[in-house]
Amino acid sequence: GQSLEQPSEVTAVEGAIVQINCTYQTSGFYGLSWYQQHDGGAPTFLSYNALDGLEETGRFSSFLSRSDSYGYLLLQELQMKDSASYFCAVREQGGKLIFGQGTELSVKP
Amino acid sequence: DGGITQSPKYLFRKEGQNVTLSCEQNLNHDAMYWYRQDPGQGLRLIYYSQIVNDFQKGDIAEGYSVSREKKESFPLTVTSAQKNPTAFYLCASSSGIGGAKNIQYFGAGTRLSVL
Repeated sequence: GQSLEQPSEVTAVEGAIVQINCTYQTSGFYGLSWYQQHDGGAPTFLSYNALDGLEETGRFSSFLSRSDSYGYLLLQELQMKDSASYFCAVREQGGKLIFGQGTELSVKP
Repeated sequence: DGGITQSPKYLFRKEGQNVTLSCEQNLNHDAMYWYRQDPGQGLRLIYYSQIVNDFQKGDIAEGYSVSREKKESFPLTVTSAQKNPTAFYLCASSSGIGGAKNIQYFGAGTRLSVL
């Protein structure tokens, strides 16, 4: 079967660092993506890992370990505007994305 | 500005009625997708299309239908066979399903409720 697991919610304070984990079990794997969705809005692409290691884009970084079927999104210098839902998504053969159920991040002052 | 436009933003369906959700993109993307999102849940793929006049079922296609007569348009019909249609529907597009990252760009969504 296909499954992705993420924590349902995470809380952190402004200025802190938070890590959102994602473990996956899929029939095929060609990469792990992360998307951000503010309440009731359109998801937007954040990052993508096809190979093991860390990808950094400004305050956001994403990590992948293919041998562990595991990845994470790291958010640094948290800001109030980072409060949103974060989804990991596995890219399967053929290019389709399978999304996790999302992690709701609450940033407190 | 390039982007994806979904309409209407809110839609109400009566019992036994078919309703159609519009999705238009001006990004010149080949691939388009429809997802369903239920409260507190992830996105589940309903249908996708890689090219004009071709589309494939996703994981939850039952009770839905689509067409892809033009590159820029991918309307979704929620038929009366879909017994639990209340959800947030998201349309997305990407430059090609075979692209390395398959970055998908999403519309603002349509919230469908049953009267």
